[in-house]
Amino acid sequence: DTAVSQTPKYLVTQMGNDKSIKCEQNLGHDTMYWYKQDSKKFLKIMFSYNNKELIINETVPNRFSPKSPDKAHLNLHINSLELGDSAVYFCASSQAQGYTIYFGEGSWLTVV
Amino acid sequence: GDSVTQMEGPVTLSEEAFLTINCTYTATGYPSLFWYVQYPGEGLQLLLKATKADDKGSNKGFEATYRKETTSFHLEKGSVQVSDSAVYFCALSENTDKLIFGTGTRLQVFP
Repeated sequence: DTAVSQTPKYLVTQMGNDKSIKCEQNLGHDTMYWYKQDSKKFLKIMFSYNNKELIINETVPNRFSPKSPDKAHLNLHINSLELGDSAVYFCASSQAQGYTIYFGEGSWLTVV
Repeated sequence: GDSVTQMEGPVTLSEEAFLTINCTYTATGYPSLFWYVQYPGEGLQLLLKATKADDKGSNKGFEATYRKETTSFHLEKGSVQVSDSAVYFCALSENTDKLIFGTGTRLQVFP
């Protein structure tokens, strides 16, 4: 069973559209994250949630809105998509703050 | 702030060659250190980690030792295989709620 699963794996969409990426973890972890990997492979944290509460928001535009309905899920909604949003988005989870972070397989978003 | 610096790639090796990928870090405290690997078209996988000075992390023939005196965590493997071709990321976490990554080093191994 996949520990951290995210859908869709690939998404191609037009500028201006709104899209969501879903993430679920079955590890029983309390903390979940979204990371972004740009075209140069650089990885940076976007958000983290602990038990459904927002802990980190790394100056991400307001068009990005994470939602955590329960501690096993952290979805990422993106409004008014722009070309620069094209990237790989990784969901991740950890047992708690300071513990090892485990990543999903990534969602490849292409905005055309 | 905290940061991680990795050697620029790509690193190109023949099969069975010795691998070293350099990683140094800057941190205000005592971070945990990690190597993650990303195979082509796949997600990030934890390769190994070390949580305190002089710890050695190891997995799949890869090793890295936490060197506090040189603030380094270099990745090594004695004999690489074609299947090791991937992008390798060094990262740190200072018991905060996030990982700080280096820019990644692409490894290409040829038969």
